[in-house]
Amino acid sequence: SSELTQDPAVSVALGQPVRITCQGDSLKTYYASWYQQKPGQAPILVIYGQNNRPSGIPDRFSGSNSGNTASLTITGAQAEDEADYYCNSRDSSGYLALFGGGTKVTVL
Amino acid sequence: QVQLQESGPGPMKPSQTLSLTCSVSGGSINSGGFYWSWIRQHPGKGLEWIGFIYYRGTTYYNPSLKSRVTISVDTSKNQFSLKLSSVTAADAAVYYCARESGYNYGFDSWGQGTLVTVSS
Repeated sequence: SSELTQDPAVSVALGQPVRITCQGDSLKTYYASWYQQKPGQAPILVIYGQNNRPSGIPDRFSGSNSGNTASLTITGAQAEDEADYYCNSRDSSGYLALFGGGTKVTVL
Repeated sequence: QVQLQESGPGPMKPSQTLSLTCSVSGGSINSGGFYWSWIRQHPGKGLEWIGFIYYRGTTYYNPSLKSRVTISVDTSKNQFSLKLSSVTAADAAVYYCARESGYNYGFDSWGQGTLVTVSS
């Protein structure tokens, strides 16, 4: 399969948790990575591998994987977390890099 | 910390060949294990991976663009480049170069992006 599917938008109250999901057959084989993108800026990697955060990413960001679904959770959403979030992985061939369509997170 | 910087053309006309260069600083493009990619984003849309070049020169391209894409590396200048032939309005997008620190490790370094416009 060569698709990763994300919900287009989700809203969360300030300080509450929010989970963003990414579905695709290839996620049964390959981990997803997650990116945060704010308007006019390049994406930033926030989660990669099983559940790894690059240096400088707050620990309120975490990732998980189950079957064909990868999830990004923000525990205690902050105003600065309002952004578009994209998942990324490989297709079944292992070469083609795929991106989900993105989820717009609004912090209320 | 590695930094990437795209440089490219001014406005493009249909049928021209787009040429973009990504300059890498703070690290060697020849260091083992890194995959150097081009990714684009159409206005208001999501991300589309174009292809990568492995530090040893192996390339892989998105099948949807493969017939028009060439990615190459110039280790002497610590740069890698993208050529996209026969551009149309559908190729107008922000083009990013990015580094993957290992197979499927995620793109951990990105350029700031360069906007490519195509108009007759």
